[in-house]
Amino acid sequence: DQQVKQNSPSLSVQEGRISILNCDYTNSMFDYFLWYKKYPAEGPTFLISISSIKDKNEDGRFTVFLNKSAKHLSLHIVPSQPGDSAVYFCAASAWGAGSYQLTFGKGTKLSVIP
Amino acid sequence: NAGVMQNPRHLVRRRGQEARLRCSPMKGHSHVYWYRQLPEEGLKFMVYLQKENIIDESGMPKERFSAEFPKEGPSILRIQQVVRGDSAAYFCASSPPSLLTGVPGELFFGEGSRLTVL
Repeated sequence: DQQVKQNSPSLSVQEGRISILNCDYTNSMFDYFLWYKKYPAEGPTFLISISSIKDKNEDGRFTVFLNKSAKHLSLHIVPSQPGDSAVYFCAASAWGAGSYQLTFGKGTKLSVIP
Repeated sequence: NAGVMQNPRHLVRRRGQEARLRCSPMKGHSHVYWYRQLPEEGLKFMVYLQKENIIDESGMPKERFSAEFPKEGPSILRIQQVVRGDSAAYFCASSPPSLLTGVPGELFFGEGSRLTVL
C-alpha cells in the first residue's frame, strides 16, 4: 500500500520556466511533509518542508503548497535552472503521533533543458 | 568531512554470504536511521536507533537483518545469508539529539552503500 504517491516518474522543463512536481498521500495521520532532492550516486538532501497547519511555504525559488482536503502537495521551482535536474522525492511523517519514520514516494526525475 | 559517512560505497556478495554496512553519523548527531532503496522505488524505512538502543525496527525484515548503534563506533546494518532480493542501495541518515530543534523529519543522509548480490 503506497501511502505517498508521485505519479509522474519524469518531467522535462525549459530553463527559466516553472517546474511543478506533484505528490498525493493517503494517510490522514501525516502532519509533516518534506521534499528531498537526489543526484545520481549521492544521498538525498533536504530541500523544503511544510507543516499540515500551513498551506504554503516558500524558500527562494522553491515553494511547497499543501491542499490538506485533497491530500495533495506540490513543489514549485521558479525559475528552473539546469542544476535543478535531479530526482525529487516527496516524503511524509506522522510527527505529532510520535512516528519518526519518513514515508517516501518513488520520486520524479526532473530534467531542466538549457 | 562532517557529513554522514557510509562504507563501503559498493559491496558485492554471493548468495549466502554476510553483508555488513557501516554508518558514522554527523558530528553531534545521536539518532541514526537506515533506509533501503530498491531499483525504481522510493526509500523505505528500516530501523531507527539511538546510542545502544533500537527505537523502531518496524521496517526491518524479521529474519537475516539486524542493526546496532554501539556506545562507541559506527552503526552497523548486518544482513546474513544474503539473497538476490537484498540487492539495493542502503542509506543511513542521522539527526540531532533533540527532535524538537530544527525541522521535524529533516534527516541528513549519507551517500549510500550499494549492495549487489550475485
